[in-house]
Amino acid sequence: AQKVTQAQTEISVVEKEDVTLDCVYETRDTTYYLFWYKQPPSGELVFLIRRNSFDEQNEISGRYSWNFQKSTSSFNFTITASQVVDSAVYFCALSDITGANSKLTFGKGITLSVRP
Amino acid sequence: GAGVSQTPSNKVTEKGKYVELRCDPISGHTALYWYRQSLGQGPEFLIYFQGTGAADDSGLPNDRFFAVRPEGSVSTLKIQRTERGDSAVYLCASSLNGGFGNTIYFGEGSWLTVV
Repeated sequence: AQKVTQAQTEISVVEKEDVTLDCVYETRDTTYYLFWYKQPPSGELVFLIRRNSFDEQNEISGRYSWNFQKSTSSFNFTITASQVVDSAVYFCALSDITGANSKLTFGKGITLSVRP
Repeated sequence: GAGVSQTPSNKVTEKGKYVELRCDPISGHTALYWYRQSLGQGPEFLIYFQGTGAADDSGLPNDRFFAVRPEGSVSTLKIQRTERGDSAVYLCASSLNGGFGNTIYFGEGSWLTVV
């Protein structure tokens, strides 16, 4: 069965610090997709990134970067020079062939607080 | 519409009452999902529609929960005989065609409180 573990529950940093959010996943499938979503206080889940299991290339988008390592089943997310607006709950999610239909399995989320 | 729209944004109801939550997906998206998010948890899958039909309802917790999508666009999640344990945020989402790997886009959710 699919499982996503986000061991960190709450992280607090001071503005401009770098912060890494960890995500470890389990799946029996060799074909799968990984996602990160951000949930600000408004409640809406905002899509950040999608990565498929055949593409281990790391990605950078502005202050955000993602490190995908199949060898350790991890898909970690780093925010560089954090800002107060980054404060939110961040979810890692998995979609695999067994689940199909793009059905997502989510981790419990990491609450990030960025203090001015 | 531009994004997934859900109404009501907040609903307080008494135990035992019937509740309907509505979702309007992104225009052109044929796949629609309902998830439930309890406090401090990640969203959990309830049901998936492809067009008008419920293709996967394996996440519905019991027969008090039911959802419809009669015209393949707007969907309604219906909860009968509500219980306090039903209190949660109910998130609706849509994707282009439900294909494997599609990105799923979420609405802001309907916060349900059963008192």
